[in-house]
Amino acid sequence: DGGITQSPKYLFRKEGQNVTLSCEQNLNHDAMYWYRQDPGQGLRLIYYSQIVNDFQKGDIAEGYSVSREKKESFPLTVTSAQKNPTAFYLCASSIEGWGEQFFGPGTRLTVL
Amino acid sequence: DAKTTQPPSMDCAEGRAANLPCNHSTISGNEYVYWYRQIHSQGPQYIIHGLKNNETNEMASLIITEDRKSSTLILPHATLRDTAVYYCIVRRVGNEKLTFGTGTRLTIIP
Repeated sequence: DGGITQSPKYLFRKEGQNVTLSCEQNLNHDAMYWYRQDPGQGLRLIYYSQIVNDFQKGDIAEGYSVSREKKESFPLTVTSAQKNPTAFYLCASSIEGWGEQFFGPGTRLTVL
Repeated sequence: DAKTTQPPSMDCAEGRAANLPCNHSTISGNEYVYWYRQIHSQGPQYIIHGLKNNETNEMASLIITEDRKSSTLILPHATLRDTAVYYCIVRRVGNEKLTFGTGTRLTIIP
């Protein structure tokens, strides 16, 4: 089945540690995105990539980093510089540009 | 992008039509109206989008007023699985972002 997978579903880390969230898609989409969602809030854009080896900062990129070495993969690293990392993280992809976006199931990160 | 205004919550009886309003009074001519929904603890799901004509697909209908300042998403026969937060988003052609507000929390009542 085609789709977007995120792993793990739940992730715990100690304060001060970096952690990498996985996002893989087999939809042959060019564009991929990372969003953060806090309780009761909408989604906020962290980073996006419209093509391999290229990515752009979104609205809240500080404390995060990404890479896009393969079309299928867009991992997000939450660094120790992110002051409030506990949140629900969502990855999405679209055929190109900012068309209809398909979302993964999300990863819920808790910093202890 | 134009801002949107949605009621924070709505209830609808199971089997009835759910009509979700969205106000986008400052929308400009090249901006589309998109609807997504998010079931609890899942990723958002695309529903439908339109520019100025009414649109229908297997999930819903989108009615856009003639002046384009508001729209209504219609779920014709709501089921319990339609309980979710529904987001109305206005996006400019070629613009790079989908901006998600807080949406409308729709609860389908048995």
